[in-house]
Amino acid sequence: DTGVSQNPRHKITKRGQNVTFRCDPISEHNRLYWYRQTLGQGPEFLTYFQNEAQLEKSRLLSDRFSAERPKGSFSTLEIQRTEQGDSAMYLCASSLKSRLSYEQYFGPGTRLTVT
Amino acid sequence: SQQGEEDPQALSIQEGENATMNCSYKTSINNLQWYRQNSGRGLVHLILIRSNEREKHSGRLRVTLDTSKKSSSLLITASRAADTASYFCATDNAGNNRKLIWGLGTSLAVNP
Repeated sequence: DTGVSQNPRHKITKRGQNVTFRCDPISEHNRLYWYRQTLGQGPEFLTYFQNEAQLEKSRLLSDRFSAERPKGSFSTLEIQRTEQGDSAMYLCASSLKSRLSYEQYFGPGTRLTVT
Repeated sequence: SQQGEEDPQALSIQEGENATMNCSYKTSINNLQWYRQNSGRGLVHLILIRSNEREKHSGRLRVTLDTSKKSSSLLITASRAADTASYFCATDNAGNNRKLIWGLGTSLAVNP
């Protein structure tokens, strides 16, 4: 399967713990996005990478959140000192920088539950 | 922040009927995309319509776009039980990052 993969699929953690999620985009895609989705809502943009450069971060991304994309391949999203309000589905998407292609390809998501 | 609003929030129809979902947005766009989400497969891209297009078809899907009203509609014809899912519109504001701004979604139930 050459789609976007995310690990883990589910994570349960206690408040105050740190968690890290991984996203492996489609191999030739140079753009990578992180979104967060809560129940009954649409996804909300968190951050964007083009190759290894993080070019935009949403105000939603507090200083407890950090994302990296070393070497422009996989990406990690870390949440430090988790809070119950961080419970959500974290979605990763990738796309190809092209004037002709705009669609994003999504992974299955990582569902985070903070207890 | 959410860009768009879909209506209805929930829709229940019988198999074979058509389903129409609407989306409104707030700012100028480069294109508008519709995605489907179900628990089994996550978010899947369905169709994209550019800001200079008014209507587009793909299989049983028909999308319209009215930029003067900042609205779009998605029509699914001859619905099937497998179409049961949540449907989201997302707008691409033509910034350099091409991030998508999403609506709240319409939950569609197609009853066999």
